[in-house]
Amino acid sequence: KAGVTQTPRYLIKTRGQQVTLSCSPISGHRSVSWYQQTPGQGLQFLFEYFSETQRNKGNFPGRFSGRQFSNSRSEMNVSTLELGDSALYLCASSPIDEAFFGQGTRLTVV
Amino acid sequence: QKEVEQDPGPLSVPEGAIVSLNCTYSNSAFQYFMWYRQYSRKGPELLMYTYSSGNKEDGRFTAQVDKSSKYISLFIRDSQPSDSATYLCAMSAITDKLIFGTGTRLQVFP
Repeated sequence: KAGVTQTPRYLIKTRGQQVTLSCSPISGHRSVSWYQQTPGQGLQFLFEYFSETQRNKGNFPGRFSGRQFSNSRSEMNVSTLELGDSALYLCASSPIDEAFFGQGTRLTVV
Repeated sequence: QKEVEQDPGPLSVPEGAIVSLNCTYSNSAFQYFMWYRQYSRKGPELLMYTYSSGNKEDGRFTAQVDKSSKYISLFIRDSQPSDSATYLCAMSAITDKLIFGTGTRLQVFP
């Protein structure tokens, strides 16, 4: 069974630009969550989508947004990038409660 | 006060030792408890998943949940150098987002 796939794995962007990250969940999983991981803050919850609807949202500014498609694939978008957005962005898919993570997208903002 | 507290370590033990990792939490609504292992530059890997109180064993790993004390533990028996990683506890209420501890860095030396 294929795991969670995140693309791209690495990304370098300039301040002010926007970026879109993609996540393909495990087949059959309808819930997709996004997390930001930094050395100082650890894993912080961004948002969760279930059946194309945002079910939970973390405490991040509106520059961070996401969506889920009918095939459960999800994208997250960050607009007007700041240096502090440099992090590992992780996607997790869930059948019910336990979460299975992808390898992440490492975003560097310069 | 954070919802989930976890000692960041690092914890350094000799090969073959029994390792004890712990988290405390404040939210009595948490029902689902997980332990993840994360190697450097990789996504978190689900190790153990427990619903409500009790013990769960899987090979060299044992997870314990004490809801009355709001305390969870992960024990690793016969630790190996390949167990060297960061261990993250995570928990959630029903259909709510996962809250992670900051992670404990474990080093097992030969």
